[in-house]
Amino acid sequence: SAVISQKPSRDICQRGTSLTIQCQVDSQVTMMFWYRQQPGQSLTLIATANQGSEATYESGFVIDKFPISRPNLTFSTLTVSNMSPEDSSIYLCSVEGGSVQETQYFGPGTRLLVL
Amino acid sequence: EDQVTQSPEALRLQEGESSSLNCSYTVSGLRGLFWYRQDPGKGPEFLFTLYSAGEEKEKERLKATLTKKESFLHITAPKPEDSATYLCAVRRLRSGGSNYKLTFGKGTLLTVNP
Repeated sequence: SAVISQKPSRDICQRGTSLTIQCQVDSQVTMMFWYRQQPGQSLTLIATANQGSEATYESGFVIDKFPISRPNLTFSTLTVSNMSPEDSSIYLCSVEGGSVQETQYFGPGTRLLVL
Repeated sequence: EDQVTQSPEALRLQEGESSSLNCSYTVSGLRGLFWYRQDPGKGPEFLFTLYSAGEEKEKERLKATLTKKESFLHITAPKPEDSATYLCAVRRLRSGGSNYKLTFGKGTLLTVNP
């Protein structure tokens, strides 16, 4: 399976600011995804990052709050905008593609604390 | 809406004490059911994909099974290094277009004591 890295691994931010999270894959993949894992909650899909077109957002998530870029087949960014303490969470990117059909593989995550 | 419920929320076992974790799901057409392991401070690590009722997959001390309403993750003679949170997720079968969304349960925190 692909090797996925994320930057930063963790950060502490002030409310009202924005943070951009990077996801890098060591091989070209068609599908990349961004998830959120809030304390005590299930992993929830934020959006699908499409190469060459706008991201597809899930219900409850909007582009103004979580803008996503996908400039090529190995890289994507997620920005958490105008942060509030409720945005404190783990943000994970995942990719589909590997030895097992239709299976997503996850990066190590970015741990965000908003004060 | 797709739903995944995992039980128990937490499970403590002694080393060598076998047990099972449950994942009950509701989905309008199952494309796949996935098991992941998540260690503290890390992203989920893929374990198994099951596609249809009756299917079974094994890996070392772990065995995953699937029925039309639930999946079990059986752990045989667990070791302390099996301690982790185990996550279950489903993907819906949708005609006329792609659907990549995984719907996750909240997980089962497994602790295996030496």
